[in-house]
Amino acid sequence: NAGVTQTPKFQVLKTGQSMTLQCAQDMNHEYMSWYRQDPGMGLRLIHYSVGAGITDQGEVPNGYNVSRSTTEDFPLRLLSAAPSQTSVYFCASRLLEAYEQYFGPGTRLTVT
Amino acid sequence: RKEVEQDPGPFNVPEGATVAFNCTYSNSASQSFFWYRQDCRKEPKLLMSVYSSGNEDGRFTAQLNRASQYISLLIRDSKLSDSATYLCVVNWGSTLGRLYFGRGTQLTVWP
Repeated sequence: NAGVTQTPKFQVLKTGQSMTLQCAQDMNHEYMSWYRQDPGMGLRLIHYSVGAGITDQGEVPNGYNVSRSTTEDFPLRLLSAAPSQTSVYFCASRLLEAYEQYFGPGTRLTVT
Repeated sequence: RKEVEQDPGPFNVPEGATVAFNCTYSNSASQSFFWYRQDCRKEPKLLMSVYSSGNEDGRFTAQLNRASQYISLLIRDSKLSDSATYLCVVNWGSTLGRLYFGRGTQLTVWP
């Protein structure tokens, strides 16, 4: 049982490049979400999904896209990377009727 | 105003000390409350839920004061392994609602 997995662990992008951060969970959780964590800012919600085919915006969605074609996978796409998107990105999942979230190990992204 | 505010920290305490963290939340309709722990360069993990009557888990005690919109976490007999950042987390509404995270309070326990 792997829990929540994220790839890659580290990534360096140049301004303007695009990429996809991968997230997968094997716990059959309906609810999945993406956060970014910046020093002094805490965790901020980017996008979330309550099931396959359903996504919604969080607190800081600009510059990011998501899709949820399966229960297991919830990729986060950066459309045109900017230095302001340098951050640590966490994917999380939970059961819809529960509050405990399980986080992936994070992706450390640097945009130069 | 941020939805969830925590003590700025950092807290540096010797082993065996008792330390308390505070957290206030802005939405009186908040329903559920949690403390998460985050080790350096790791993901957050649930430490404990906070119930209205207060609850204890070993050396950890969580309290909720709805009237003052205030949550606390008390750690007794601190261990070196307690060194981490503690995140206060609040949800308002149903389980479909999002979780709001405080910025965290850093604790360092020294020998």
